[in-house]
Amino acid sequence: SYELTQPPSVSVSPGQTARITCSGDLLPKNYAYWYQQKSGQAPVLVIYEDTKRPSGIPERFSGSSSGTMAALSISGAQVEDEADYYCYSIYNSGHHGVFGGGTKLTVL
Amino acid sequence: EVQLVESGGGLVQPGGSLRLSCAASGFTFSIYWMSWVRQAPGKGLEWVANIKQDGSEQYYVDSVKGRFTFSRDNAKNSVYLQMNSLRADDTAVYYCVRALGGNETWGQGTLVTVSS
Repeated sequence: SYELTQPPSVSVSPGQTARITCSGDLLPKNYAYWYQQKSGQAPVLVIYEDTKRPSGIPERFSGSSSGTMAALSISGAQVEDEADYYCYSIYNSGHHGVFGGGTKLTVL
Repeated sequence: EVQLVESGGGLVQPGGSLRLSCAASGFTFSIYWMSWVRQAPGKGLEWVANIKQDGSEQYYVDSVKGRFTFSRDNAKNSVYLQMNSLRADDTAVYYCVRALGGNETWGQGTLVTVSS
């Protein structure tokens, strides 16, 4: 089966740029999606199709992708951005999905 | 308002069965792929299954294949997850999701606990 790999944790100071990576062999062919999940809440999509931001998501959230790695960047990270972040992609002609293991972002 | 409401979770013994339901409202249900995503306590998200708009195709993660069945009733704006031969590692919050990765909406989740 297919796997996406994320670092378990990332830590930044308020106002700095946080960057969370996601690696997967099929990312050159398939989009990456990024989710934010705060404790006790359902996940929220913050980036779709590698680089696009849904309405209502702050501009400080951005996505990029190159080769087998996708990345989520949060410029000027705020304390409220502390959360778990998951990348997601598809495989098997788009019929199957897979999440990365998740990255805990600490802003302090 | 676009809404997904899951129900049917609870405590079940290993080897038992449970049927989850997800009722949709506020959008044209029949035009969307639907998915189930689960999250074990303290763990990450796991994609479980997808179903096509007309229910003619279903796809599953390997760990549930042959035990879980994903179905839908477009007349009732609902999807269902029939879970058989449940195991302790199926314990999780199960989320119903519209158009995962697209114009998506998540339900609030329903907790399934498999324990004796």
